[in-house]
Amino acid sequence: SQQGEEDPQALSIQEGENATMNCSYKTSINNLQWYRQNSGRGLVHLILIRSNEREKHSGRLRVTLDTSKKSSSLLITASRAADTASYFCATFYTGRRALTFGSGTRLQVQP
Amino acid sequence: ETGVTQTPRHLVMGMTNKKSLKCEQHLGHNAMYWYKQSAKKPLELMFVYSLEERVENNSVPSRFSPECPNSSHLFLHLHTLQPEDSALYLCASSQRGAGQETQYFGPGTRLLVL
Repeated sequence: SQQGEEDPQALSIQEGENATMNCSYKTSINNLQWYRQNSGRGLVHLILIRSNEREKHSGRLRVTLDTSKKSSSLLITASRAADTASYFCATFYTGRRALTFGSGTRLQVQP
Repeated sequence: ETGVTQTPRHLVMGMTNKKSLKCEQHLGHNAMYWYKQSAKKPLELMFVYSLEERVENNSVPSRFSPECPNSSHLFLHLHTLQPEDSALYLCASSQRGAGQETQYFGPGTRLLVL
């Protein structure tokens, strides 16, 4: 299975701190994506990193990808209460017709 | 908003009822998806439609029946469901062949089967 695993399952931090979430996967990929889900809502795409990239930035988000370890991390800097949500990694490879999602990390940012 | 709408947002049904979930995408995409999200479980892919043709049925019970009349609309017909089918059902769309497969999700339908 290509299923990704996020670590930790839950994370609670104070506003202003950084939050780091990790994702591991099992097989080769074309790209890895991170999504955010507010409680009971749909997922929103945050950032995509291709298999030939090692790091990518978007605003307060920083994603790294280590294909040798089959892992990725998402860093949210200077967190805000509004960042409270679940975060999912998803992998894509052309042999599959859809993304494969991990189990998610629930982030709670305390004001 | 992401340009993908779902109706209804909430649904309560008995095990003998028949209901349908509707999804519409306004993004000009050529692929649509149904996912099931249950508590404490990863997102489960149910069906994939590409260019209105079903290209994947992920071992979903026959009490779930998808329909894709055109590239903008996707339905999930429900009949004789079980309580364990209670979940958040998410629809998504993407532009296949773009090499990235970024998906755009609707807000979901929260289904409760009594």
